[in-house]
Amino acid sequence: TQLLEQSPQFLSIQEGENLTVYCNSSSVFSSLQWYRQEPGEGPVLLVTVVTGGEVKKLKRLTFQFGDARKDSSLHITAAQPGDTGLYLCAGAEGLGQFYFGTGTSLTVIP
Amino acid sequence: GAGVSQSPSNKVTEKGKDVELRCDPISGHTALYWYRQSLGQGLEFLIYFQGNSAPDKSGLPSDRFSAERTGGSVSTLTIQRTQQEDSAVYLCASSPYTRSEGYTFGSGTRLTVV
Repeated sequence: TQLLEQSPQFLSIQEGENLTVYCNSSSVFSSLQWYRQEPGEGPVLLVTVVTGGEVKKLKRLTFQFGDARKDSSLHITAAQPGDTGLYLCAGAEGLGQFYFGTGTSLTVIP
Repeated sequence: GAGVSQSPSNKVTEKGKDVELRCDPISGHTALYWYRQSLGQGLEFLIYFQGNSAPDKSGLPSDRFSAERTGGSVSTLTIQRTQQEDSAVYLCASSPYTRSEGYTFGSGTRLTVV
């Protein structure tokens, strides 16, 4: 079982601030995904990264996959209240199931 | 259907009773997954079905937990002799074989064992 540690576990910031969430593991992944989950709902996919060093941007969100494919980061620029939620990374080896990280709970205060 | 459907959305049961949780995946998705999530925490993998292959049951926490998938579609997760530590949200997801679009999750079943 791959263990993915996310940091910080909780984050509360003011609207307009920038933030970075980290996802770290000792395992090498063939692909890594980031999800956002709102209360009472299932997680929703934000992005998939598959190449070491890959950077993907989704509006104000920037995702980076580590060169060794063991870690990833999510950077949010000018956070908005709508960004509030639980952010989860998930890694998979080959075509097996994804293992999810411990989660980062983000609250953006208006 | 348009999304992954789970039922019931909430279930309260007495300790020692058996419960069945249902998942109806997206039509055409070959893979189906069950995860468990404690309050505000990450997802714990339980079991994975892929097509007609034998399921990966490596995440099931005890022999009280079992799951089946009939006809490659609907899945049922059964928990026998429920314990208070089984209380959690049980999430089902499905995906195409390639998984390039990620998992599509249902809204989950919130199980409370009293």
